[in-house]
Amino acid sequence: DTAVSQTPKYLVTQMGNDKSIKCEQNLGHDTMYWYKQDSKKFLKIMFSYNNKELIINETVPNRFSPKSPDKAHLNLHINSLELGDSAVYFCASSQRRFEWGGAKDTQYFGPGTRLTVL
Amino acid sequence: AQTVTQSQPEMSVQEAETVTLSCTYDTSENNYYLFWYKQPPSRQMILVIRQEAYKQQNATENRFSVNFQKAAKSFSLKISDSQLGDTAMYFCAFMNLWSGNQFYFGTGTSLTVIP
Repeated sequence: DTAVSQTPKYLVTQMGNDKSIKCEQNLGHDTMYWYKQDSKKFLKIMFSYNNKELIINETVPNRFSPKSPDKAHLNLHINSLELGDSAVYFCASSQRRFEWGGAKDTQYFGPGTRLTVL
Repeated sequence: AQTVTQSQPEMSVQEAETVTLSCTYDTSENNYYLFWYKQPPSRQMILVIRQEAYKQQNATENRFSVNFQKAAKSFSLKISDSQLGDTAMYFCAFMNLWSGNQFYFGTGTSLTVIP
């Protein structure tokens, strides 16, 4: 059973198009995230949702819009794709509540979606 | 703002040998977690080990252990008896407990295990 899944794994599209990446977790976690990993492998957080509510929104162009229909899903929609959007996008999830000595804060990552904008 | 620094972009180690990957971080917080994640060529991000800042004892997971020096803000990963499957990018990550579970990642160290 896949804990955090993303679809699609690969996405190749033309500049200017609109695309979506879906993420689902079956871990019962409260919090979900989107990260972007650039060509130099640097991982940077984009968004975080807790129980469908946006709690982290880093400096990301308005063309990126996360949507959380329920706490098990966090989708990423990208409008007017640009060449610089080419990257690997990772979804992750964790339990929001903090407990001393527990592992509930650990983030579990999906397999990533490689987006290539031509 | 928290920063995480991995000063070794690439490293290599002979199979069965031991290697240490370094990580330093900068924070004014006292309560936080530190993690090492592994990213093999398959691209999957896999948790290797985690350390709670309030614990003085270094975390250990089988062949993986850390050397956590809180005063020096250092968090190195030691891999013993290196195996070919350890070849991957390794990312150090910092999480401040009171900032929405936000992770800050280092730039990664590419480790190659040589047969």
